Amino acid sequence: KAGVTQTPRYLIKTRGQQVTLSCSPISGHRSVSWYQQTPGQGLQFLFEYFSETQRNKGNFPGRFSGRQFSNSRSEMNVSTLELGDSALYLCASSNGQGEAFFGQGTRLTVV
Amino acid sequence: ELKVEQNPLFLSMQEGKNYTIYCNYSTTSDRLYWYRQDPGKSLESLFVLLSNGAVKQEGRLMASLDTKARLSTLHITAAVHDLSATYFCAVRRTGNQFYFGTGTSLTVIP
Repeated sequence: KAGVTQTPRYLIKTRGQQVTLSCSPISGHRSVSWYQQTPGQGLQFLFEYFSETQRNKGNFPGRFSGRQFSNSRSEMNVSTLELGDSALYLCASSNGQGEAFFGQGTRLTVV
Repeated sequence: ELKVEQNPLFLSMQEGKNYTIYCNYSTTSDRLYWYRQDPGKSLESLFVLLSNGAVKQEGRLMASLDTKARLSTLHITAAVHDLSATYFCAVRRTGNQFYFGTGTSLTVIP
């Protein structure tokens, strides 16, 4: 059974640019959540999508957005990148039993 | 605001010793999760604790949950080097919104 796939694994972007990250959940899972992990702030919830609808949203500025497609794949977008956006972005795929399975993450570096 | 606190933040222990990591959370939650993260890697699910008094064990790790005290513990028995990693607890709110603790970085010294 394939796990959660995140692409790309690594990204280097310049301040002011935008970036799109992709997450393919485990087959059959309809919920995808996104998290930002930094040494200073730890793991923080960004948002959750379920059946193409944003179901929950964390406390992040509007520069962070996401969407989910009919096949449950999800993308998150960060516009006008700032140095502080450098982080490991993790996506989690959840089943109906409330377990969350995490992808390998995308390491974003903003220079 | 939901807060999840872990202690200690850093733990250095000798092989063969026992220790406990504590996880306190500030509001009611129907379940508590423990994850492991190796450097540069993703989160690996260790335990899902579903109810008050739940206890689960896997190898040298045992997790328990006291929902009345809003406390979970992760007990390490006879530590080995392979257990060196960062351990996170998390609670789930509405939907699949997880709130994580600060993490405990465990180093097992031979």
